[in-house]
Amino acid sequence: QVTLRESGPALVKPTQTLTLTCTFSGFSLSTSGMCVSWIRQPPGKALEWLALIDWDDDKYYSTSLKTRLTISKDTSKNQVVLTMTNMDPVDTATYYCARMVLVTHAFDIWGQGTMVTVSS
Amino acid sequence: EIVLTQSPATLSLSPGERATLSCRASQSVSSYLAWYQQKPGQAPRLLIYDASNRATGIPARFSGSGSGTDFTLTISSLEPEDFAVYYCQQRSNWPPGYTFGQGTKLEIK
Repeated sequence: QVTLRESGPALVKPTQTLTLTCTFSGFSLSTSGMCVSWIRQPPGKALEWLALIDWDDDKYYSTSLKTRLTISKDTSKNQVVLTMTNMDPVDTATYYCARMVLVTHAFDIWGQGTMVTVSS
Repeated sequence: EIVLTQSPATLSLSPGERATLSCRASQSVSSYLAWYQQKPGQAPRLLIYDASNRATGIPARFSGSGSGTDFTLTISSLEPEDFAVYYCQQRSNWPPGYTFGQGTKLEIK
């Protein structure tokens, strides 16, 4: 059974750096074709794709946020980490990690999400 | 960057009726188009990938069609549990990445 779980702070202050961890099980990120992505959703709004890392350690970022994002993986721990710098109240959202099997070009398994509020 | 436009924003139908949701891309995405269902307080669930392939465990009443810039998600006969928000998502080669539409809310009439 494939599962993903997000963890990180529920509250961050403006200008701080957010670090989120996605811990997964049921697949290996060293298997060809496997990818993990981060996606967020502000309250009452649409989904926004943030970043993706693949089995070969290639990384892809949202054009509008790429200067603030870093994605990395620890294959031995089955974890993917996302950092987002210079947080702002508009970054308040539920942050999801999700698996992609590359050949499908879609996110087939999602974590439950973690709500992050940016406020002083 | 490719923009996905979903229509209508809200669709009001009754159980048993047929639902047709549209997703239009600002440029061709080939068949790299997926559909998701999201219920309040839940993560999205993958319904359709590569425009017309049902994901594992998705009922046959859900079907997807289209290619290039125009795509459709059809629910042949609405069940009470189908009332939710639906998003389309595409993969682009350049710049490499993914985008979502703004969503269609399917509500009970």
